[in-house]
Formats: sequence, structure tokens, C-alpha cells
Amino acid sequence: DTGVSQNPRHKITKRGQNVTFRCDPISEHNRLYWYRQTLGQGPEFLTYFQNEAQLEKSRLLSDRFSAERPKGSFSTLEIQRTEQGDSAMYLCASSLAPIQTQYFGPGTRLLVL
Amino acid sequence: QKEVEQDPGPLSVPEGAIVSLNCTYSNSAFQYFMWYRQYSRKGPELLMYTYSSGNKEDGRFTAQVDKSSKYISLFIRDSQPSDSATYLCAMSADRDDKIIFGKGTRLHILP
Repeated sequence: DTGVSQNPRHKITKRGQNVTFRCDPISEHNRLYWYRQTLGQGPEFLTYFQNEAQLEKSRLLSDRFSAERPKGSFSTLEIQRTEQGDSAMYLCASSLAPIQTQYFGPGTRLLVL
Repeated sequence: QKEVEQDPGPLSVPEGAIVSLNCTYSNSAFQYFMWYRQYSRKGPELLMYTYSSGNKEDGRFTAQVDKSSKYISLFIRDSQPSDSATYLCAMSADRDDKIIFGKGTRLHILP
């Protein structure tokens, strides 16, 4: 399967703990996006990378959130000091710029207790 | 007013019916329009991608864009129970711009 993969698929953590998610994009795709989706809502943009450069961050991305894509391949999204409001599905997507078509991974479902 | 408005449903139709899903938007700069299908607990899957106004057809799916009315539609012909999912409209102003999603419409096709 050469699609976008995300790990872990599910994460349960206690409030205040740090969590890290990984995204592996489609191999030739140079753009990688992170979104957050809560129940009954569409995905909300968080940030995106072109190769290893982080080009845009949403104001939704508080200081507790950090994303990296060190070698322009996989990316990690870390949430520090998790809060119950962080509970959501975290989606990763990739595309081949300048083509807009984004392909999504299966998501990581986070539950903060 | 949100940039993209979409009726969350649920919408229930009998198998074989034509389904019409719609979104309205407020940002006249949007030029790229997409429809995604999302099954429960899965990531969104791209169904249709169109640029500017007009129609695009792919199998049982037809996407329509009316920029003058700021209104986009997705039609599904000969609907099947496997079409039951949440359908998300999405749009962006530029190829390099972020995508803005609607809330999604939950669709149930009744056997």
C-alpha cells in the first residue's frame, strides 16, 4: 500500500502528558499537511510543509503543538501538556505541488482523559 | 458567517435515487473545489476536483460549480448502500493555499 500512513491509529492519554504522532506521506509527494477533525466538523487546517520547510501554521496551533519534517519525508506532530480539548482525530495529507489534490491518511484518534 | 456552509444532515434516501449534496461559500476568491467522502473512523477520500465554474462527471458522480451564486453541488446517480458516508465539500483560493472544508453531510442510502 503506497498511500499515506499514520501511527498510532489510536492514542489514549492522561491530561498533562505529551503525545507524538507520525505521518508517512506518499513517497514522491513534497507537501505534507496536518489537520484536526472533531466530531461533526470538517477537518481544520493546522500546518503544512513543503519538503522540510514549515510554510504556514494556523492560529489553532497553540504553543503546545509542534510539527517537524526533518528530512522532507515523514513528519511528526507533538502535543505537549495535553488538555481534554485536544481530543480529536488528527489527519495527515500529502500532495505533489503545485497540484492541489491532497490524499489523506487514516488519521490518529486522540482521547485525553 | 463561516466561509463554507454545508448542511450536516443526516440525509436518507432510498437505494437507486439521485442524491444532491450542496455547499455555499462566502469567499469569492475560491477557485478550486473538491468533494471528499469519509467513512466512519477513516480519513477523507478525494472524489471530485474541479477548477472554476462548470460541470465535471466521473462515473455516477457529477460535480457542479456556480461561482456567480457561490454554490457547489455533488450529484450521485443510482445511489448504493455503499455510498453511505459523510461527504465533505472543500475549496481553496489558489493551488498553494490551504483548503477550507465544510462540516460534511451525513448520507444514508436505504436498501
